[in-house]
Amino acid sequence: AQSVAQPEDQVNVAEGNPLTVKCTYSVSGNPYLFWYVQYPNRGLQFLLKYITGDNLVKGSYGFEAEFNKSQTSFHLKKPSALVSDSALYFCAVRDIGNTPLVFGKGTRLSVIA
Amino acid sequence: DAGVIQSPRHEVTEMGQEVTLRCKPISGHDYLFWYRQTMMRGLELLIYFNNNVPIDDSGMPEDRFSAKMPNASFSTLKIQPSEPRDSAVYFCASRATENTEAFFGQGTRLTVV
Repeated sequence: AQSVAQPEDQVNVAEGNPLTVKCTYSVSGNPYLFWYVQYPNRGLQFLLKYITGDNLVKGSYGFEAEFNKSQTSFHLKKPSALVSDSALYFCAVRDIGNTPLVFGKGTRLSVIA
Repeated sequence: DAGVIQSPRHEVTEMGQEVTLRCKPISGHDYLFWYRQTMMRGLELLIYFNNNVPIDDSGMPEDRFSAKMPNASFSTLKIQPSEPRDSAVYFCASRATENTEAFFGQGTRLTVV
């Protein structure tokens, strides 16, 4: 079975500082990994994905994530946080094949000016 | 494309009433997913369809829940009878192919009183 762990419920960071939101996963085969962001009263918006290829994936709004197979991690990063990045972030995984996404519990990011 | 469209955005109903949530996926997408989001349980997959055929409904909590996809451009999630514990935000998402990301609708916030 697939699963995702986001060990931090909340991450606080000062504006301009780098941010990291952690994610580890478990799948039986090769993973497809995704990050989504949710703003208040909105649906989930796709940020980036890893399917295959380069372990460093770049996505929307300056976010990037690094796939680490040995550590089964896919941490989300941004070099310089903005107040507008404050939102709820979800990591998701699925196995190769026609399977739906399994989501983590979400991490609330708060960027303080 | 306008994206995944859900209606209504908000629904308040009395316990015991029938509730129908609607979803129009992105044109050309072969997969459609229904998720439920609550504070306690996060994002849970209820059911998903491939080419209008239900593939996995193991996440549907009870027989009170049913979902249909009569054609490629429309799906419904019905709860009959509704209960207060069904209160949640229900999301519909669609995906084009196996290797692509899912796109989410804005969600329907259901309150059962």
